[in-house]
Amino acid sequence: GAVVSQHPSWVICKSGTSVKIECRSLDFQATTMFWYRQFPKQSLMLMATSNEGSKATYEQGVEKDKFLINHASLTLSTLTVTSAHPEDSSFYICSAREGGLLEQFFGPGTRLTVL
Amino acid sequence: AQTVTQSQPEMSVQEAETVTLSCTYDTSESDYYLFWYKQPPSRQMILVIRQEAYKQQNATENRFSVNFQKAAKSFSLKISDSQLGDAAMYFCAYRASSGNTPLVFGKGTRLSVIA
Repeated sequence: GAVVSQHPSWVICKSGTSVKIECRSLDFQATTMFWYRQFPKQSLMLMATSNEGSKATYEQGVEKDKFLINHASLTLSTLTVTSAHPEDSSFYICSAREGGLLEQFFGPGTRLTVL
Repeated sequence: AQTVTQSQPEMSVQEAETVTLSCTYDTSESDYYLFWYKQPPSRQMILVIRQEAYKQQNATENRFSVNFQKAAKSFSLKISDSQLGDAAMYFCAYRASSGNTPLVFGKGTRLSVIA
């Protein structure tokens, strides 16, 4: 099956710094990518949807200036958490879909800890 | 807006026995897809089974099967011959068939398998 990778798998940063998370589709063209956030023992909450070459569409309540999403190519999307604070600590999961295909493939996730 | 409800936060089953996880959803769409995802301790999301709403026949994948009741908007997952490796969080998810829509997840059910 199709593979989606995320890097880094975990990151610890100081409050006030920015962190970039990469999401790559390894063997298919990810025309659409989704970014989710998952708190401990909770479900996946959609943060934003991005189509290659277009601006991301953010869900209500998600600050677009804080969570910068770039989907510049068909195989790479990045999520940058700007001026991170401890409340941004969470598990971030990306997911990708090719064209109008049904299946959505998930990356392994990135655990962000902000001290 | 579409919603997905999983009313069982936790379930347990004896090894080799059968367990059913419940899921209901709310939508005004006539055509859509339903999914069950498994999230083991590694937190990698794994597709277990999917169902197209236009298909009357219930989907099956080896030991996993669903009971899809479209009129009742119910989509339960049955796991037969439960194995220790089935222990995980299980998420029910919905996706409308029109447009480039994301998956909407339920809150999840934590399944424990007792040896």
